[in-house]
Parts: sequence; C-alpha cells; structure tokens
Amino acid sequence: NAGVTQTPKFRVLKTGQSMTLLCAQDMNHEYMYWYRQDPGMGLRLIHYSVGEGTTAKGEVPDGYNVSRLKKQNFLLGLESAAPSQTSVYFCASRPRTPFTGELFFGEGSRLTVL
Amino acid sequence: QQQVKQSPQSLIVQKGGISIINCAYENTAFDYFPWYQQFPGKGPALLIAIRPDVSEKKEGRFTISFNKSAKQFSLHIMDSQPGDSATYFCAASITHTDKLIFGTGTRLQVFP
Repeated sequence: NAGVTQTPKFRVLKTGQSMTLLCAQDMNHEYMYWYRQDPGMGLRLIHYSVGEGTTAKGEVPDGYNVSRLKKQNFLLGLESAAPSQTSVYFCASRPRTPFTGELFFGEGSRLTVL
Repeated sequence: QQQVKQSPQSLIVQKGGISIINCAYENTAFDYFPWYQQFPGKGPALLIAIRPDVSEKKEGRFTISFNKSAKQFSLHIMDSQPGDSATYFCAASITHTDKLIFGTGTRLQVFP
C-alpha cells in the first residue's frame, strides 16, 4: 500500500521556469492538500481540494495553481518560479468523514529556485 | 498571522527527561487539536489528538494537556528517548471544515 506518493522528490529550477508537482494517493480519499514547509514557519496550506474537479485557496496560494482532474491525483503548478518558492512541499489526503484530525502525508518534494 | 503559536522552536532534553511543547490559539471555534510528529526526510504523521471537552489525554509516554480558558494546550513526552528526536507540530481545526492549521514546529533532540 503506497499511500501518498509525491514526484519528483527533488528539483532545481531557475527563476522564471515552470514546473508541476504530482501527488497521487491510492486510499480513495476525497480530500487532498498541498502544504509548504519552511524553517520557523511550520506547514502552511497552499491549496486544497474536497473532491474531483474542485479546488480552493489556502493561506498562501499566490504564485501557485492546482488541478484535480482525477480523484487520486492532485497537481501543484508553479507558472513562473521565484526564489521565495524554495521550500519543501507536502501533499496530504484524508477521507471526507469523519475528520479525526488525521491527514496522511507524502514524503515531500524539495524544490530549490535559483 | 499565525493562528496557532508554538514554543519553543527547539528543545534539547536528556534521555529519561520530560519534553514539554506548548501551543496557544485565539480562535475559540477551534474544536480539535492534533499533534504531529515528523522525522527527517519524512512527512508528518499524527501522534495524538484531543478535543476541548477533556483536559488531558494520555497515550503511552505522550500526554496532551488542554486548558480551554487559557486557550492553551501542550504535549508532554515522559521518559524521553533518542528515538523521540523529531520535529513536533501542534495543529487546530474546526469540525466540519476542510482545513487543518499548523503551528510553527518544535525540533526536539534527545541526547543519551
């Protein structure tokens, strides 16, 4: 059982380049999330989705876009990467109900923007 | 604006000691408070959680204490072990909403 899988695990970009992070989950979860983790700032929610074809903004959505075309996949896109987007990105998922406070996280994708 | 404030940022404890991490919140609508544990190179994983209708919850060496009037909650790790060395996040959510708000994290190091 793979759980939540993120690809790629590492990526280096130049300022202005674009890229997409892929999150795939095999638990049939309805809800999926993208967080970024930065030192001293914890985990901040970028975008999330409550079901296939739906997305919503989190705390820090600027500079990112997302798509949820299939229930098992949640894509995070950077249209024009900036050094401020250097971070570790985590995808998470959970079933719709009941919410026990448990999110299932992937192992992260480390992105460096030069 | 940090909705959940966590301290300390880092903590060094000797093996067998007690590790204490504190969190505070402002939004009284929060009604679920989980703690997550993250090892290097891994994603966070749920450790223990509490609802505000109880003042304490214990699971093994891990205890959450909750003070509703002060809007504070804390994680106590008894008999801390080197294997407990990790980053710990407190979090808060509102039932029937979609989001989980995390604190800034505490890096715990337990030395033999």
